[in-house]
Amino acid sequence: DIQMTQSPSTLSASVGDRVTITCRASQSIGSWLAWYQQKPRKAPKLLIYKATNLASGVPSRFTGSGSGTEFTLTISSLQPDDFATYYCQQYNSYSHTFGQGTKLEIK
Amino acid sequence: EVQLVESGGALVQPGGSLRLSCAASGFTFSDYWMSWVRQAPGKGLEWVANIKQDGSEKYYVDSVKGRFTISRDNAKNSLDLQMNSLRAEETAVFYCAKGGYGDYPDAFDVWGQGTLVTVSS
Repeated sequence: DIQMTQSPSTLSASVGDRVTITCRASQSIGSWLAWYQQKPRKAPKLLIYKATNLASGVPSRFTGSGSGTEFTLTISSLQPDDFATYYCQQYNSYSHTFGQGTKLEIK
Repeated sequence: EVQLVESGGALVQPGGSLRLSCAASGFTFSDYWMSWVRQAPGKGLEWVANIKQDGSEKYYVDSVKGRFTISRDNAKNSLDLQMNSLRAEETAVFYCAKGGYGDYPDAFDVWGQGTLVTVSS
């Protein structure tokens, strides 16, 4: 099975900061990677699909990059609404795997 | 409006069974892969199972194989998850999610609000 490892687990930052979250796959998954944002007591929201593609309605300050086994999600200038937990997900195989999550906190 | 609405969550005893349902609307249900994803309290997301458009292919996370069954009724725009031999550690919010259009599952662009399953005596 493909394992996904995110880092860091927690990230403290301020409004206006640029932040990057990393996701590593245990084997190559091509570009079959998505990023989700989840706020407390809410369903996850798709941000990025196929590693680099912005989902509909997602602000352009979110950028995805990478391929193979290493991927990043970058938020160029943090807004108050961005403080949440972020998950990567691989869908290279018919089964999916999520990373363990990165909680983005206000510094 | 594209919408997924889960139902069926409840308190169930360890070893018990429960059937979850997800009602889909606002899109051509029969064109898309569908999945179930769960989240234990305070924990991360775990993909549970998915099913192809026509129900011909089904995949499960190892921990539920042989105990959970995913199914769909395209005529009723509904997705189900039959869960047997439930364990205390499977207490979680269960989400249904809309997947890919083609031959492969794809990312989940629409999620339901979730339904809580509590496994406890």
